[in-house]
Parts: sequence; C-alpha cells; structure tokens
Amino acid sequence: GAVVSQHPSWVICKSGTSVKIECRSLDFQATTMFWYRQFPKQSLMLMATSNEGSKATYEQGVEKDKFLINHASLTLSTLTVTSAHPEDSSFYICSAALLAGVYEQYFGPGTRLTVT
Amino acid sequence: GENVEQHPSTLSVQEGDSAVIKCTYSDSASNYFPWYKQELGKGPQLIIDIRSNVGEKKDQRIAVTLNKTAKHFSLHITETQPEDSAVYFCAASGSNQGGKLIFGQGTELSVKP
Repeated sequence: GAVVSQHPSWVICKSGTSVKIECRSLDFQATTMFWYRQFPKQSLMLMATSNEGSKATYEQGVEKDKFLINHASLTLSTLTVTSAHPEDSSFYICSAALLAGVYEQYFGPGTRLTVT
Repeated sequence: GENVEQHPSTLSVQEGDSAVIKCTYSDSASNYFPWYKQELGKGPQLIIDIRSNVGEKKDQRIAVTLNKTAKHFSLHITETQPEDSAVYFCAASGSNQGGKLIFGQGTELSVKP
C-alpha cells in the first residue's frame, strides 16, 4: 500500500516552454502533497505544500508564478514549470501524506527534467 | 526552525558488517523521525520511522534509536549486503513544522562485497 506515482519519469524541453508533472496517490487519498527538488548529491529541498482544493503554500525563495501547483483532487497534484530555463533542470519529487497531522510521507519515483 | 544534521556524509563497510548513521535535531517539539533510502535515480523509500514516545524500533536488520534528551537518533543496519548500498536520509517533523519533513544532508553508504 501507500504507492505514489509520477508522470513523466523524465522529460526534455526547450528553454521558454512549460512542463507539467503529475503526482498521483494510487491506493490512498492524500490530504496533503508535497513537492521537492533535488540537485545531484544533495538533499531534498521542499518547494511547496499543497492541500486538496486550496492554494499551495510555497517555501521561501520559491517563485509561485514559475512553479504552479494544482491539487485538484485527493489523489492528484500537478506541478507546472513555466517558461523553463536550463537552471530549472533538476530531479523533481512529490510525496503524499496519508492523513493530516500524522506526518508519514510516501514519495513518488521522481521526474528528471532537462531544459535545453 | 528545525535543523537536522546528519553524519557521516559517506560510509563504506564490508559486506556483513554493521553500519550506523547518526542525526541530531534542534527543535525539542519534533516528534516524528523517519529514515529514507534513496537509490540512484529513484525517489526516497521509507524504511523505518520512530515517534518520540518510543526509544527504539527494529525491523529485521534495521533499527532506529532515539534519545530525546540529547536530541539525536540513529539508524543501525546489521549484516549489511551490497543491495543496502544507497543514500540514506534522516528527517524530523512535528506540529511546529506543520507536518513538513526537515531532512538531513544524506549519507552515501557503500557496502563492499
């Protein structure tokens, strides 16, 4: 149980275009989903927290207009990287929390984004 | 806010030996401490977690200990195998963090056959 999927697993896009990444909880309803980015040989950096039906809460320094997050249902959250640039190339990982306040987070397999 | 320090950054052991990774946290209100294993190119996988009302938890070859007074917790892997090779992350969370996980810097474990 507690399986989280992401799609696509990897994507290459041209500079200036937008890319959408989907995160789904397959066998449970997630009250909260989190989006992280990870650079090579570094830890996970939290970008934003999203709750179903409400606006995402972004961490300090993360541009909300550049990284659009939509949490349309209890099983789906999307991250759209708008007007992507090479410095946005990274490994993006989502996680889903089983229950509010319980803290366990289950992570997706990640999406490798390369902006050329 | 919470800060989590993890040591060592790299750890190399012989197959069959034990491996220990240590983390310290700063916020005494944190009460949830998970450990994740991340293989290259994959997302982190929860391997064990502990809450602040427990001092030790074991799952086969993996154990976690928590010292609330000293604010540190450790991951112990016994009888290591080559497939244990990965990056391990500790994290801390609690009501002060609103459910967010604060991660340590990671430990790259290499198990040599």
